[in-house]
Amino acid sequence: SQQGEEDPQALSIQEGENATMNCSYKTSINNLQWYRQNSGRGLVHLILIRSNEREKHSGRLRVTLDTSKKSSSLLITASRAADTASYFCATDAPSNFGNEKLTFGTGTRLTIIP
Amino acid sequence: NAGVTQTPKFQVLKTGQSMTLQCAQDMNHNSMYWYRQDPGMGLRLIYYSASEGTTDKGEVPNGYNVSRLNKREFSLRLESAAPSQTSVYFCATRAYNIQYFGAGTRLSVL
Repeated sequence: SQQGEEDPQALSIQEGENATMNCSYKTSINNLQWYRQNSGRGLVHLILIRSNEREKHSGRLRVTLDTSKKSSSLLITASRAADTASYFCATDAPSNFGNEKLTFGTGTRLTIIP
Repeated sequence: NAGVTQTPKFQVLKTGQSMTLQCAQDMNHNSMYWYRQDPGMGLRLIYYSASEGTTDKGEVPNGYNVSRLNKREFSLRLESAAPSQTSVYFCATRAYNIQYFGAGTRLSVL
């Protein structure tokens, strides 16, 4: 079963605009991560936010985490054509496999229109 | 420095055929994973290995076997392929909570 659900499933915006995608999850977590997947490629790690953090920045990326609502958001500012990809949240829960397992959401497909 | 290398990149099988997907890493990571990715379902964990000589089932292990040959290599075997195993398969390693993925193997079972 999926731990994370991203919203929206698909998003199209003009280049230069900001893109926001959301992730909801079901159980308590140690941390939440966001990954990007370009078409036909593997996933690439973007950013990790720990359960005791509320906001984190990395370049044009801003991630927030609300553990009371079991939700996270990823904001990409000043979008570029190269940001076109699918974005997945992944939760690291204190459950099976001694914290070694990530559970991935279903992803948001982001298209940047030049 | 290749990272995580998967072979083959593409494969077409007939129902009932067997094959092994190979994964090798040069990152010296202990943990390795096999996922499958299907449209609209994200990634689902098939098997994982915390270290050489150990393997554990993930969310969808039925129809698959794995082998952690050494620290570098983690293979996934389909003994009798079924159309339901048509998918994209990803191998990954893990270090400091972050996973590193290979480019994937696209498998079609006819």
